[in-house]
Amino acid sequence: GENVEQHPSTLSVQEGDSAVIKCTYSDSASNYFPWYKQELGKRPQLIIDIRSNVGEKKDQRIAVTLNKTAKHFSLHITETQPEDSAVYFCAASRDSSYKLIFGSGTRLLVRP
Amino acid sequence: DAGVIQSPRHEVTEMGQEVTLRCKPISGHDYLFWYRQTMMRGLELLIYFNNNVPIDDSGMPEDRFSAKMPNASFSTLKIQPSEPRDSAVYFCASSFRGGGGETQYFGPGTRLLVL
Repeated sequence: GENVEQHPSTLSVQEGDSAVIKCTYSDSASNYFPWYKQELGKRPQLIIDIRSNVGEKKDQRIAVTLNKTAKHFSLHITETQPEDSAVYFCAASRDSSYKLIFGSGTRLLVRP
Repeated sequence: DAGVIQSPRHEVTEMGQEVTLRCKPISGHDYLFWYRQTMMRGLELLIYFNNNVPIDDSGMPEDRFSAKMPNASFSTLKIQPSEPRDSAVYFCASSFRGGGGETQYFGPGTRLLVL
């Protein structure tokens, strides 16, 4: 069945360093890949997304890369700040269903 | 727009009681999703609707769970009877299919505790 694997489950970095979170998906028909950030006690919120016709997308300090052949996509956060500390979820879906399959989440801690 | 609205925000009930969670999607959105979040199982999709019609309920854990969407602006998720293992945060999300937009907007969630 459809599955999204996410690694690592926890990540601790020093403020100013970069953080990378990786996901792999099983459904080769997936063509939409969003990333959500969830702060403690809050709702998940979209921070960036990418479609299968694009290999990379950037928005200020965050970027996402996609390798369709390997069925692999990654979130990159540069110049991390304490407010980046949160749980990050990757997800995948296909146009025909609009159903998001979420990864298990990565707890990012940015140490001041 | 106020965003996705959920009520109640917190619910504490006793095992065996009926629980009803409510959701108002963003006006104009044609997809509505119900998720459950726990530490052990992460974010699980329970059911989703398109234009008020249930499309996929394969994530509904068992017959104790039911969901309805009587109109475009309201949906309910009901648990009857509730059990302690149903304790979780339940999120409702909505999206609009037009213009290639699959972005799902989440509500604040309902934190359910079944004693």
